[in-house]
Amino acid sequence: DSGVTQTPKHLITATGQRVTLRCSPRSGDLSVYWYQQSLDQGLQFLIQYYNGEERAKGNILERFSAQQFPDLHSELNLSSLELGDSALYFCASSASGSDAYEQYFGPGTRLTVT
Amino acid sequence: DAKTTQPNSMESNEEEPVHLPCNHSTISGTDYIHWYRQLPSQGPEYVIHGLTSNVNNRMASLAIAEDRKSSTLILHRATLRDAAVYYCILQGANSKLTFGKGITLSVRP
Repeated sequence: DSGVTQTPKHLITATGQRVTLRCSPRSGDLSVYWYQQSLDQGLQFLIQYYNGEERAKGNILERFSAQQFPDLHSELNLSSLELGDSALYFCASSASGSDAYEQYFGPGTRLTVT
Repeated sequence: DAKTTQPNSMESNEEEPVHLPCNHSTISGTDYIHWYRQLPSQGPEYVIHGLTSNVNNRMASLAIAEDRKSSTLILHRATLRDAAVYYCILQGANSKLTFGKGITLSVRP
């Protein structure tokens, strides 16, 4: 158990809909990262927040957005969903935003868009 | 982002040491070398990381070449639970982890 929690574990929704994925980092960790893992693209970094502020952006679509709240939990919002958005979404946390710190991953949310 | 090159797969026997190689010839002086692994149906798991010197922890050892253009993850005694995809990743100043395809390790009983 990494100490990172993600809800829900599974989500099935229809095209065009909007969903929110939630992540609670390990106690004391200030950084939260979001990743997408699909069969054809592998693990892709989406976005990072550090202590409430956006720190780095990766291959995140404009239909996707994220935020980190004062209690440090984070939410990833996916809107106008397409079939291709079906994937595993992982959240990770680290103590700092620095490259010297390891990231701890949650168990993921499996999103299925039908 | 600097890239890493790993073999697609490797097989080992249980209880024997495993050496997983990684080439990163375009590594910059400030890039950290990280290894993560992903067991089936689980999120990635941190294994070890280093900058210049060899590193040991309870899970594995990381041997870094003197020129830093390659590294080797060493599992001292492979167990069936070590069967996973192992990712060698360079992490730069923006702290973004860029995962490649990794190497799939199979462990024979």
